[in-house]
Amino acid sequence: TQLLEQSPQFLSIQEGENLTVYCNSSSVFSSLQWYRQEPGEGPVLLVTVVTGGEVKKLKRLTFQFGDARKDSSLHITAAQPGDTGLYLCAGAGGWDSNYQLIWGAGTKLIIKP
Amino acid sequence: DAGITQSPRYKITETGRQVTLMCHQTWSHSYMFWYRQDLGHGLRLIYYSAAADITDKGEVPDGYVVSRSKTENFPLTLESATRSQTSVYFCASRGQVYGYTFGSGTRLTVV
Repeated sequence: TQLLEQSPQFLSIQEGENLTVYCNSSSVFSSLQWYRQEPGEGPVLLVTVVTGGEVKKLKRLTFQFGDARKDSSLHITAAQPGDTGLYLCAGAGGWDSNYQLIWGAGTKLIIKP
Repeated sequence: DAGITQSPRYKITETGRQVTLMCHQTWSHSYMFWYRQDLGHGLRLIYYSAAADITDKGEVPDGYVVSRSKTENFPLTLESATRSQTSVYFCASRGQVYGYTFGSGTRLTVV
């Protein structure tokens, strides 16, 4: 069974600080996606990483896919209250052609003004 | 507006009643999914569909039924609601490009 472990589960920091969220697995994924979910809404796709070692930047958010395609990280620079939310990673297994995703449990992030 | 729409947003029902949650997408995406989200369990796949008239079970299908007679609609029915089915339900679709698009969810309470 493929599993994705996210850490930390919960993070509360002050505005302006930096943070990193991790998503780890013992399995190889063909791609890995990061979503942000705000209260009362569905998850919204932030980025998809496909190539081992790939780094993508979205303003103050930097996403990295591990060389072996088993892990990923999300780094936020100078966090702002608007970054508050539940961050979810999800992996797509290359063996599975029906587009099912393996989901991490999420990291609840609170940025205090 | 283009997108994925779920209805109702909130629903309270009694144990034993049948409940149907609606999901409609405007892109004609082939793949559609139903998830439930609970504290401590994250997102769990209930059912998914690869195309009209093609559906398959996910991780937690017991007590649920789906149908997909048209590409754009993917209703989820709880045949006889139980308190353990109190949850937030999300519908999602996937097109050719990576990534899912989710609806805003239905918060279901079974009393």
